[in-house]
Amino acid sequence: AQSVAQPEDQVNVAEGNPLTVKCTYSVSGNPYLFWYVQYPNRGLQFLLKYITGDNLVKGSYGFEAEFNKSQTSFHLKKPSALVSDSALYFCAVRGRSGGYSTLTFGKGTMLLVSP
Amino acid sequence: GAVVSQHPSWVICKSGTSVKIECRSLDFQATTMFWYRQFPKQSLMLMATSNEGSKATYEQGVEKDKFLINHASLTLSTLTVTSAHPEDSSFYICSAAGPGRTETQYFGPGTRLLVL
Repeated sequence: AQSVAQPEDQVNVAEGNPLTVKCTYSVSGNPYLFWYVQYPNRGLQFLLKYITGDNLVKGSYGFEAEFNKSQTSFHLKKPSALVSDSALYFCAVRGRSGGYSTLTFGKGTMLLVSP
Repeated sequence: GAVVSQHPSWVICKSGTSVKIECRSLDFQATTMFWYRQFPKQSLMLMATSNEGSKATYEQGVEKDKFLINHASLTLSTLTVTSAHPEDSSFYICSAAGPGRTETQYFGPGTRLLVL
């Protein structure tokens, strides 16, 4: 079965500094990886995904993620953090359940960007 | 594009009553819809997956007779929590994937259910 680990419950960064939110995965076969962001009392918003191709994936709101097969990692990055980036971030990996393509989520990492 | 709505956004009900939550894909046809449950400060737990016109597939440990899912059309799925109890209080989130979008799920804004 597939799994996702987000080792940090919370990441603190000052506005303007680069940020990294870590994610490692375990899956059989080729991984399909996703990042979503959740604002308080809201559903998830899709940020980016990796299916194949370049290891550096660019997504919404200036975020990008680097796929590293040897380290089974898919860390989310942004060169310059904004206060408005403060939210809960989820990494997910595609799996299969009952014949359907499903997502398995990590436990989430809270990103706090201070002014 | 790829907008998913949920209604209601929040609901308070008495123990023993049933509550229906709607999930709609507004600008695409969702061949597959997913229902998740999220407890405070925790991740999303998949409850069930459904294809339009067929029975839902429930994850292990989810009571299908308690959480009734109907995916009657390509734009609408409903989750009915039957005989709700306080322990059913949670944040319920749906997502949808459609033709050409099967690798990406688009999420609704969620429904907060409080059972008194």
